[in-house]
Amino acid sequence: NAGVTQTPKFQVLKTGQSMTLQCAQDMNHNSMYWYRQDPGMGLRLIYYSASEGTTDKGEVPNGYNVSRLNKREFSLRLESAAPSQTSVYFCASSPGGADYGYTFGSGTRLTVV
Amino acid sequence: LAKTTQPISMDSYEGQEVNITCSHNNIATNDYITWYQQFPSQGPRFIIQGYKTKVTNEVASLFIPADRKSSTLSLPRVSLSDTAVYYCLVHGDKIIFGKGTRLHILP
Repeated sequence: NAGVTQTPKFQVLKTGQSMTLQCAQDMNHNSMYWYRQDPGMGLRLIYYSASEGTTDKGEVPNGYNVSRLNKREFSLRLESAAPSQTSVYFCASSPGGADYGYTFGSGTRLTVV
Repeated sequence: LAKTTQPISMDSYEGQEVNITCSHNNIATNDYITWYQQFPSQGPRFIIQGYKTKVTNEVASLFIPADRKSSTLSLPRVSLSDTAVYYCLVHGDKIIFGKGTRLHILP
């Protein structure tokens, strides 16, 4: 049981380049989330998908787009990367509802130079 | 979303019981209280969740008073491997993280 799988684990981009971070879960969870974590900080919610076919903005959505491709997969796209987007990105999933915990992936460490 | 306040950092010693208290004065009726643990270079890991009174699992206990305006995570007999950041979250369907408490266990 893999849980939440994120790819790639590491990435270096040049300013202005685009890329897509991939996330897949095999727990049949309804809800999926993207967070970013900067050094010494807590996690900040970028976007989330409460169910297949829906997406909503979180705290810091600017500069990002998401796609809930199907129930398993939720991707995060940076159209034109900026140094301020250098961060560790975590994907998470949950069955949905407040009374369930989240399962997190191991993260993608992104550096924009 | 209810705001939480918890200590920035704490130190304790191996074998001790550690209690981390979190205040959440404007918790909503439907909100749950959840604690996560995060080690460096890893995603947060669910520890325990509660709505009211006391919840206990194999790794921790969570104490929630009747007014639900605070909660206390209790870690029994900590070891060096419990050194991590602990997040207190009050939430509905969507979780917003604060900065957490950096717990440092000393030998």
